Order: sequence, then C-alpha cells, then structure tokens
Amino acid sequence: AQSVTQLDSQVPVFEEAPVELRCNYSSSVSVYLFWYVQYPNQGLQLLLKYLSGSTLVKGINGFEAEFNKSQTSFHLRKPSVHISDTAEYFCAVSFRGAGNMLTFGGGTRLMVKP
Amino acid sequence: DTAVSQTPKYLVTQMGNDKSIKCEQNLGHDTMYWYKQDSKKFLKIMFSYNNKELIINETVPNRFSPKSPDKAHLNLHINSLELGDSAVYFCASSHGTGGGYEQYFGPGTRLTVT
Repeated sequence: AQSVTQLDSQVPVFEEAPVELRCNYSSSVSVYLFWYVQYPNQGLQLLLKYLSGSTLVKGINGFEAEFNKSQTSFHLRKPSVHISDTAEYFCAVSFRGAGNMLTFGGGTRLMVKP
Repeated sequence: DTAVSQTPKYLVTQMGNDKSIKCEQNLGHDTMYWYKQDSKKFLKIMFSYNNKELIINETVPNRFSPKSPDKAHLNLHINSLELGDSAVYFCASSHGTGGGYEQYFGPGTRLTVT
C-alpha cells in the first residue's frame, strides 16, 4: 500500500535553533515528493519539491530537504528557525500513475519559541 | 491577483441542508482538485478534474457532486449535509496530470454543520 508518514505531530524548538521534520513514505512505484507549509487559517504553500536528480533540494524561506531512496525518506531541515516559521508542515507524495493526486502525511506542527 | 480563490470562506449551516462551494483559478491550469481537511488537520483528496472531465473520485459519498463548467472553475455541491461533513475544503489547481506538478491551493472554505 502507498502511504506517507510524518513521525512527529509536534516539534517545539527555540528560535535560531536547527530543526528537522521527518517524513517517510511507502511505495512500489516511483514517487515525486513535496513539502507544503500551512500558516494559521490559510491555504497550503509549496516549500520545495523533489522530482529527480540531485537528492538535496533547496526551497523557499531557507528550508531544504534530502531524498533518501534506500530509507524512503524525505526529511525537511532548516539550520536556524524564526518565530515566523511557526506553522503546520505537510509532506506530500505523488505516486507515478496516480494522476498527480497528492497523498499527504498527517502534518507536523512546528512551534518556534523565543 | 489571487491565483486560486474560493467562496465562501466560511459556511455555517444546519444538517440536511444543501450547499455549494465555488472555486476559480486564473493560472491557466487544466487540472483542478478538491481536498478535505478534517479537524485533526489530515488532508485527503476528494476529486480531480482535467479539462472539465472527472479523473479522480476517491470514494466520496455521492452526496458530494463536483461540477466543472470550464477549465478555470470547479464547484462542489453537497446535498443533505451531515455533522461529519464539517471540515475545511481546499481547492487546488495544477498543470497536467502526469505526476510531479506543483499544486496551487486556495485559502480554504471552513464548513460547519450544526
């Protein structure tokens, strides 16, 4: 079965500290990988995506993610977070042959404390 | 200019009523989607249309009927509303259906059924 798992439902972190949000997927076919951010009472905004090529992908707002095929992971990282990064983060996967449909993980709430 | 817009932003109604949510995109995309986000923030695809044709229908009750009058619009009509329909509904759009295309999300419609 094809699925996406975000291992942490909440991640508290102090401002200027590094953070990693974890995402694992299960699939028997090729995948395309995305991270979206949702600020309170807003829609989702794309942070970054992996389609092919270099496994380290850089996105907006200083975020980056690394695709690890052997571990079926796509973890999101930021070396130094700001208060404004407080939001819900969603890992999403598009499975080849599934018509560009996104399957989302359960989300991780990043809480940046001063 | 708003890329993907939804109306209304909030919808409060009673059980048994019929309601519609409208979505419009001005990005020139040919594929549109409806997602449901439940109270635990879990996001799940409901429908996808490509060039006004239904291509994904993810076991949604037939009380939900999407309609796409043209490529730029995808509306969602819900009959006989139930308490469990309370959620945030997001419209999204993208180029193509082959996988790997970024989806652009609207701001969401918060539906509350009492």
